[in-house]
Amino acid sequence: QVQLQESGPGLVKPSETLSLTCAVSGDSSSSYYWSWIRQPPGKGLEWIGYIYYRGSTSYNPSLKSRVTISVDTPKNQFSLKLTSVTAADTAMYYCATSWPGEYYRFWGQGTLVTVSS
Amino acid sequence: DIVMTQSPDSLAVSLGERATINCKSSQSVLYSSNNKNYLAWFQQKPGQPPKLLIYWASTRESGVPDRFSGSGSGTDFTLTISSLQAEDVAVYYCQQYYRTPYTFGQGTKLEIK
Repeated sequence: QVQLQESGPGLVKPSETLSLTCAVSGDSSSSYYWSWIRQPPGKGLEWIGYIYYRGSTSYNPSLKSRVTISVDTPKNQFSLKLTSVTAADTAMYYCATSWPGEYYRFWGQGTLVTVSS
Repeated sequence: DIVMTQSPDSLAVSLGERATINCKSSQSVLYSSNNKNYLAWFQQKPGQPPKLLIYWASTRESGVPDRFSGSGSGTDFTLTISSLQAEDVAVYYCQQYYRTPYTFGQGTKLEIK
């Protein structure tokens, strides 16, 4: 079992950087893919990317130029940074985990980030 | 990117009746080397994260009622709820994990008629 909990600012100004952290408890195997997925209000789900094993990453090409996912193994957490945000980045941000190449069984509760001045 | 298209966008079914949601991928998500379809179904209720229902297109997640079933292969998939219960009102998403970027269908909103 894996428990995930997102945290970070709920309000970010346009052009600034969105920074979120996902705390992991339970099974924190380094073999997992540690992922971020977002959902704009009233809309569908968008995969942002993942990090795994020794820091290898995969990002959605639509966001790749602005996204960084990192992991802090001793602290059992991983993070998302999204630069140059606009109102279009307003969304519920979820962290989730899976075995490599498999389905997302474990999700955090999500954290709502609003981009507004 | 692999585009996932669900139909219908919304669905109203009477309690106890069957609900069927379709999902079509723009490319096959069947991996020939292991004969597995890299397709999952999720249920999302308001204010909650998505909940995994089905993976490998037809394997029910532990704890999911057996009225939920998944079928299909290649590019065409179906989620069936055999006898709709009130607690099944939700939005349902399919997702492919065959190739990055992983992609989701647009969602199907299921309501009680």
